[in-house]
Amino acid sequence: AQTVTQSQPEMSVQEAETVTLSCTYDTSESDYYLFWYKQPPSRQMILVIRQEAYKQQNATENRFSVNFQKAAKSFSLKISDSQLGDAAMYFCAYRSAHQGNRDDKIIFGKGTRLHILP
Amino acid sequence: DTEVTQTPKHLVMGMTNKKSLKCEQHMGHRAMYWYKQKAKKPPELMFVYSYEKLSINESVPSRFSPECPNSSLLNLHLHALQPEDSALYLCASSRLGTGGADTQYFGPGTRLTVL
Repeated sequence: AQTVTQSQPEMSVQEAETVTLSCTYDTSESDYYLFWYKQPPSRQMILVIRQEAYKQQNATENRFSVNFQKAAKSFSLKISDSQLGDAAMYFCAYRSAHQGNRDDKIIFGKGTRLHILP
Repeated sequence: DTEVTQTPKHLVMGMTNKKSLKCEQHMGHRAMYWYKQKAKKPPELMFVYSYEKLSINESVPSRFSPECPNSSLLNLHLHALQPEDSALYLCASSRLGTGGADTQYFGPGTRLTVL
């Protein structure tokens, strides 16, 4: 069974600085998707960034980028120029690329609460 | 448009009440999901509907009854709930048939309190 581990329950970063959130996962599959979701307090969960395992190039979305190390099964999120609006719970997630009913589910990590210090 | 809407935003109910949560999306997605989320925890999958048919039930108690009337709507009927069922209930949707998994888009959730 696949697992996702986020070893940092909480992190803090100064506004305008850069922070990296860690995520490791375990799977025997070769084809899968990885996601970072952001959930601000009492607000909607939104997709931050997505990575296809077959792509070697790391995904980027504006100030958000990932460091995807497939062999090490590591998928960290880097947030550059941190802003107050980045304060949220961040969930790393895994999803199989195989079609089939039992594969149609996301495996979430436990989350990392990110605080932005003004 | 990547919007998933959920109503109501908040719901307070007694243990003998019957209520329903509603979820709607107009993105043409054919997979819809119900999750339960406790404070400071990740979402826990409850049900998955694929092409309007229930494809995954994660051993959820029968006091939760899902329904998918059409490809845009997903309901969760609640009856005889317990206080420990108080949580944020999230709906999500995604495409199917894209050669594999696709991104799930989440609604804002319904905050449920069972007294």
